[in-house]
Amino acid sequence: EAGVAQSPRYKIIEKRQSVAFWCNPISGHATLYWYQQILGQGPKLLIQFQNNGVVDDSQLPKDRFSAERLKGVDSTLKIQPAKLEDSAVYLCASSFTGSMSYNEQFFGPGTRLTVL
Amino acid sequence: QQQVKQSPQSLIVQKGGISIINCAYENTAFDYFPWYQQFPGKGPALLIAIRPDVSEKKEGRFTISFNKSAKQFSLHIMDSQPGDSATYFCAAGQGTSYGKLTFGQGTILTVHP
Repeated sequence: EAGVAQSPRYKIIEKRQSVAFWCNPISGHATLYWYQQILGQGPKLLIQFQNNGVVDDSQLPKDRFSAERLKGVDSTLKIQPAKLEDSAVYLCASSFTGSMSYNEQFFGPGTRLTVL
Repeated sequence: QQQVKQSPQSLIVQKGGISIINCAYENTAFDYFPWYQQFPGKGPALLIAIRPDVSEKKEGRFTISFNKSAKQFSLHIMDSQPGDSATYFCAAGQGTSYGKLTFGQGTILTVHP
């Protein structure tokens, strides 16, 4: 079974530039998550999709961050314009949503963003 | 109230020793408590998880102890090995929120040979 794919793996940009990250979840997984992991901290949920609908985006800085999941499969996360404090690893995770409330979240390798 | 506090920040143990990492939470609505293991350059991977209807769960060398009244849970790694050296995160989830997890700050475990 293929895992969660993310690209690019690394990205360096200047502040005020824009950047986009891509995630392809595990086939059949209805739920997709984007997390921000700042160095030395635990992952923080930015946005959660159930199929192509947003379930939770309460911690997404909507003035600069946006995300979409067209057709309920792949997803992109965009930052425009980037700030220095956006330097972090952006993790995508997916889970199969069945009859249980909880299903294991499978994480991708992440995209390490450096904003200069 | 959504925070999950994890300690210690870092831990060094000798091969064969016991590693213990602790977490505390405030939100009594949390009903799912997983532990994740993360190696450098990789995403977190689920190690073991527990629900509050049991006080302990063991899988191989890894054990979760859960104290509902104290709102605390801990991870015990028996016979720690150098290959266990990684960052460990506790997390907590709430059944009404489609599996949303709140993570602790992480513990960097180093096991010396």
